[in-house]
Amino acid sequence: NAGVTQTPKFQVLKTGQSMTLQCAQDMNHNSMYWYRQDPGMGLRLIYYSASEGTTDKGEVPNGYNVSRLNKREFSLRLESAAPSQTSVYFCASSGGQGEQPQHFGDGTRLSIL
Amino acid sequence: GENVEQHPSTLSVQEGDSAVIKCTYSDSASNYFPWYKQELGKGPQLIIDIRSNVGEKKDQRIAVTLNKTAKHFSLHITETQPEDSAVYFCAASSNNNDMRFGAGTRLTVKP
Repeated sequence: NAGVTQTPKFQVLKTGQSMTLQCAQDMNHNSMYWYRQDPGMGLRLIYYSASEGTTDKGEVPNGYNVSRLNKREFSLRLESAAPSQTSVYFCASSGGQGEQPQHFGDGTRLSIL
Repeated sequence: GENVEQHPSTLSVQEGDSAVIKCTYSDSASNYFPWYKQELGKGPQLIIDIRSNVGEKKDQRIAVTLNKTAKHFSLHITETQPEDSAVYFCAASSNNNDMRFGAGTRLTVKP
């Protein structure tokens, strides 16, 4: 049982480039989340999806877009990467609609030069 | 919005001793308080949680206490083992889009 799978695990971008972080869960969960983790800080919510077909902004949504492609997959896109977006990104899921995150992926470490 | 403060930022204990991590929150509407353990290179793992209608919850060697009046909650780990070494995060929320995390506590258990 893979749980929450994130790809890629590492990525280096140049300022202005775009990329999509992928997340998939195999637990038939309704809610999915994207967080970023910066040194000395707790996780901060970027976007979440309470159910398939819905997405909502979290605490720090600027510079990001998301797509809930289907129940399994929730992607995060950086249209024009900036050095301030250098961070570790975590995807999470939970079973109930609107439940708080319970299962996290192992993260994508993103560096923007 | 909610603000969560966590102390201490680092904690070192001898194997077998107890460890206590404390968090305070600001929003009286918060009603869900989870604790996560994060090992190096891994994502956070939910280890225990408590809701505001309960004052204490225990699961084997870990326990969480909640004082709603004082707006603080604590994680207690007894009989610590080297495998308990990790970064621990507290969080508080009233719904699924407002969860706020503490800055984390790096726990080191010395053999």
